[in-house]
Amino acid sequence: DGGITQSPKYLFRKEGQNVTLSCEQNLNHDAMYWYRQDPGQGLRLIYYSQIVNDFQKGDIAEGYSVSREKKESFPLTVTSAQKNPTAFYLCASDGRGYNSPLHFGNGTRLTVT
Amino acid sequence: RKEVEQDPGPFNVPEGATVAFNCTYSNSASQSFFWYRQDCRKEPKLLMSVYSSGNEDGRFTAQLNRASQYISLLIRDSKLSDSATYLCVVSNTGNQFYFGTGTSLTVIP
Repeated sequence: DGGITQSPKYLFRKEGQNVTLSCEQNLNHDAMYWYRQDPGQGLRLIYYSQIVNDFQKGDIAEGYSVSREKKESFPLTVTSAQKNPTAFYLCASDGRGYNSPLHFGNGTRLTVT
Repeated sequence: RKEVEQDPGPFNVPEGATVAFNCTYSNSASQSFFWYRQDCRKEPKLLMSVYSSGNEDGRFTAQLNRASQYISLLIRDSKLSDSATYLCVVSNTGNQFYFGTGTSLTVIP
């Protein structure tokens, strides 16, 4: 079945360390997105990519970096510059057609202590 | 003003009840509309798209009112398994997606 795979499901890191979250999709979607969700809050856009080798900052890009070297993959690096990295991170993709919905991975819960 | 606004609830309803959620959006040029369901500590999952003429999927009915810029979700004959947070999502021509903060529903036995 086609879908989006995020790994790992849970991640624990010490403050000051960079960490990379994996996102792979086999839906043949051009557009991919990273969101962050904090308890009781809505999803906030970190970065998005509409095509290979191109990506754009979202609303809260500071302290994060991404790459899009392959259509299927859109990894997110949480750097030590991110002040409050502990959150639930969601990767998504969409087919970019009219009325095309977002498809989400199952998320990575990052805890930084 | 937020792009998408929802009443956060919580809505606590008995089994079998009918419950309705509304969501307003600020951009009149918005093109696509969706309702997602999110269970605790899980990813959002598409419940249904919302079409201009309104659409139904079993116990769920979605409506779009472009003039007043809101969408609604009606759940009939609520089940315990309907307990979740319901997210309203709106997208524009640039494939930018905007999320409401979600409405919490608890169905009580």
